[in-house]
Amino acid sequence: QVQLVQSGAEVKKPGSSVKVSCKASGGTLNNYGINWVRKAPGQGLEWLGRVRIDDGVAGYGPKSQGRVTITADKSASTAYMELSSLRSEDTAVYYCARDPVGSPIGFDVWGQGTVVTVSS
Amino acid sequence: ENLLTQSPGTLSLSPGGPVTLSCRASQSVQSSYLAWYQLKPGRAPRLLISGASIRAADIPDRFSGSGSGTDFTLTISRLEPEDSAVYYCQQYGSSPYTFGQGTKLQIK
Repeated sequence: QVQLVQSGAEVKKPGSSVKVSCKASGGTLNNYGINWVRKAPGQGLEWLGRVRIDDGVAGYGPKSQGRVTITADKSASTAYMELSSLRSEDTAVYYCARDPVGSPIGFDVWGQGTVVTVSS
Repeated sequence: ENLLTQSPGTLSLSPGGPVTLSCRASQSVQSSYLAWYQLKPGRAPRLLISGASIRAADIPDRFSGSGSGTDFTLTISRLEPEDSAVYYCQQYGSSPYTFGQGTKLQIK
């Protein structure tokens, strides 16, 4: 059974950047997309964007455009999400989740979450 | 962008009874790519239903989904205390994928 293992918690200053990784354990991510979703305190779930592992093509949510960069290393079965120009409102738990390309299965496997705290 | 509106916002119910949660989309959801997730504090979201009505692996048959087009529902037939959570619908048929604002369900 594939698990998604994310990198550890981060504390960052406003204006800096953070890069979170998501690695598949127990299998590969071939034929999957990796999505990034965040949950800020008191807010709902927000989809940030997605990358197709096989060709690296990424798409973003409207609020993510310009500050979020999602990439993938197929050989390492790892995806990355980098968020720049951090502000306090970016404090949240960031999750990665896989979905099979071209299938209606949805986000069936999730990472454990990475807490990102933005504070001066 | 396909906006999803969930109702009600909060529910407080007793164990044993049924509940139906609603999710309405601003545009038709492509190919019924509509999912429901359960979110509990300190845990990752859990996929309950995808394709509007397909139960995910290991999800009890108390959970069922239905709907098409712009109107979808999640029904829990016999509430248990561990069903206390926030439930989100999501459309993943067209980018950007979007989530509803969530329905908080408390079982007392």
